[in-house]
Amino acid sequence: DVKVTQSSRYLVKRTGEKVFLECVQDMDHENMFWYRQDPGLGLRLIYFSYDVKMKEKGDIPEGYSVSREKKERFSLILESASTNQTSMYLCASSLGGARRETQYFGPGTRLLVL
Amino acid sequence: QQQVKQSPQSLIVQKGGIPIINCAYENTAFDYFPWYQQFPGKGPALLIAIRPDVSEKKEGRFTISFNKSAKQFSLHIMDSQPGDSATYFCAASRIQGAQKLVFGQGTRLTINP
Repeated sequence: DVKVTQSSRYLVKRTGEKVFLECVQDMDHENMFWYRQDPGLGLRLIYFSYDVKMKEKGDIPEGYSVSREKKERFSLILESASTNQTSMYLCASSLGGARRETQYFGPGTRLLVL
Repeated sequence: QQQVKQSPQSLIVQKGGIPIINCAYENTAFDYFPWYQQFPGKGPALLIAIRPDVSEKKEGRFTISFNKSAKQFSLHIMDSQPGDSATYFCAASRIQGAQKLVFGQGTRLTINP
């Protein structure tokens, strides 16, 4: 079974702090994604990566950056956390290639910025 | 700009009823339409998916109906059970930039016993 793990289930940070959210997948997937989930807005793509060191902006990249130094690990960075970044953050991975592969999601990190 | 619009936001159905969740999309280049199911405390998981070359796909009690001309698709759950209570998301992706899913707003479904 594909397993996507996220480093924290719950996180509380102060405004202005630098925040790191880590995601690891164990199935040698090429693609990895970061979404945020907010009530009434569904899942919105922040960034995705289709290879090591490769990244592409999603629909809402402002205030975020990402890092993918190893194939299995994809990090989301909030350079200076703000209260409007309080949300549920979901990481996902998929096999890659031109096919529309299933995305496998982690359990999510609920971030509260005070 | 919401490219996939999902309704209703919440739905309550009695056990055995047939909840229906609807989605409408704008981009005619979309060619893959999955539904994801999310239980509390878990990440979403793929439930069923359809491509526009068929009008219906059934897997167990779950059916997707697809209307290409209306740019709409819907999820039906036959003989619904309390264990189906979850949040459901429709999504769409296009040929270019494959793998990038655009999600609907989600529907919180409750099946009462």
